Amino acid sequence: GAGVSQSPSNKVTEKGKDVELRCDPISGHTALYWYRQSLGQGLEFLIYFQGNSAPDKSGLPSDRFSAERTGGSVSTLTIQRTQQEDSAVYLCASSSLTGTRNHGYTFGSGTRLTVV
Amino acid sequence: GNSVTQMEGPVTLSEEAFLTINCTYTATGYPSLFWYVQYPGEGLQLLLKATKADDKGSNKGFEATYRKETTSFHLEKGSVQVSDSAVYFCALSDRDGGYQKVTFGTGTKLQVIP
Repeated sequence: GAGVSQSPSNKVTEKGKDVELRCDPISGHTALYWYRQSLGQGLEFLIYFQGNSAPDKSGLPSDRFSAERTGGSVSTLTIQRTQQEDSAVYLCASSSLTGTRNHGYTFGSGTRLTVV
Repeated sequence: GNSVTQMEGPVTLSEEAFLTINCTYTATGYPSLFWYVQYPGEGLQLLLKATKADDKGSNKGFEATYRKETTSFHLEKGSVQVSDSAVYFCALSDRDGGYQKVTFGTGTKLQVIP
């Protein structure tokens, strides 16, 4: 697509439920990244995909968080047994293999997750 | 690893005031440098970039110069507008942890009042 698309844009869930957040990167971008941004805070790196593999998942905060990417395209971030501290904006970004240095990342608009 | 340090916010300015947001970095290689802007309720957008020393990036009246000797990339604008109210992130791109990645500062919130 023309840009990075994330869905849903807003999600309200009850504590303890599982949620899935989706990211559609720019077509042809092999690198995909997930970040978390809590209210008024900076960016917290979660995971990096190159193709379908995740060489860096050092930022996943607990084993309740997992992510996968299929077909070198769409990625899903899953949070199991959600807690109130998981409330945040989840941002996805993508880049081409050779474009990161010159163009940085292209971000989606994010999914605002609220756990009640 | 690499790191980016930017001035704490929030920064509050009157319309038409001069803006400077300081940014310094630490990198092991020869990074590219970026400023991203995040308007309320939106994702981050690339504002400007510089890929080598002494380059000046500019966009929408904002500019920043890549200063290798001081490892800095300060953002400036001569006359801010209310519409510039946003969070600004300084960032660098370099090989870190085995791959080319972008490292972000913590962000500086700018509020411009009429």
